[in-house]
Amino acid sequence: AQSVTQPDIHITVSEGASLELRCNYSYGATPYLFWYVQSPGQGLQLLLKYFSGDTLVQGIKGFEAEFKRSQSSFNLRKPSVHWSDAAEYFCAVGTSTGANNLFFGTGTRLTVIP
Amino acid sequence: DAGVTQSPTHLIKTRGQQVTLRCSPKSGHDTVSWYQQALGQGPQFIFQYYEEEERQRGNFPDRFSGHQFPNYSSELNVNALLLGDSALYLCASSATGGANTEAFFGQGTRLTVV
Repeated sequence: AQSVTQPDIHITVSEGASLELRCNYSYGATPYLFWYVQSPGQGLQLLLKYFSGDTLVQGIKGFEAEFKRSQSSFNLRKPSVHWSDAAEYFCAVGTSTGANNLFFGTGTRLTVIP
Repeated sequence: DAGVTQSPTHLIKTRGQQVTLRCSPKSGHDTVSWYQQALGQGPQFIFQYYEEEERQRGNFPDRFSGHQFPNYSSELNVNALLLGDSALYLCASSATGGANTEAFFGQGTRLTVV
């Protein structure tokens, strides 16, 4: 069975600082991995995804993530955080490329201070 | 392109009542998945519809049922509402076939059971 762990419930960073959000997954086969962002009162927006190939994937809004099979991790990074990045971030693992049975972590809430 | 639209945005129901939530997928998408997001949690997969049939189901009781119409729109029905059914209900749509399909989420319906 799939599972996703996001060990950091809440992270606070200063605007302009770098960011890394952690995600560890458990899945027996090759995982399809996703990062979504959710602003208050909004649905989920896909930041980036990994299906296969290059383990460093680029996403929207300057985000990137690196798939490390040996560590079962898919951490999200951004070199310089903007105030508008404050939101809830969810890592998810799926068994296919679409929305089929995505298993989400509990999320990391990001606060950005000026 | 209106993206994924859900209605209503908010509603309040009494324990024991029944509720119907609606979802119109993004143009060109034929698959709809439903998720329940309790406060402070990540979304949990309820079920997926394709070709008007339920294709996959998560760990939810039979009180949760759905339907997909020929125009690919979908409904989520919940019977005998419990207080614990209070949550944000998210609909996601995707297109079958091809590689690297992406799921797009609606903004959700906030259900409060009192």
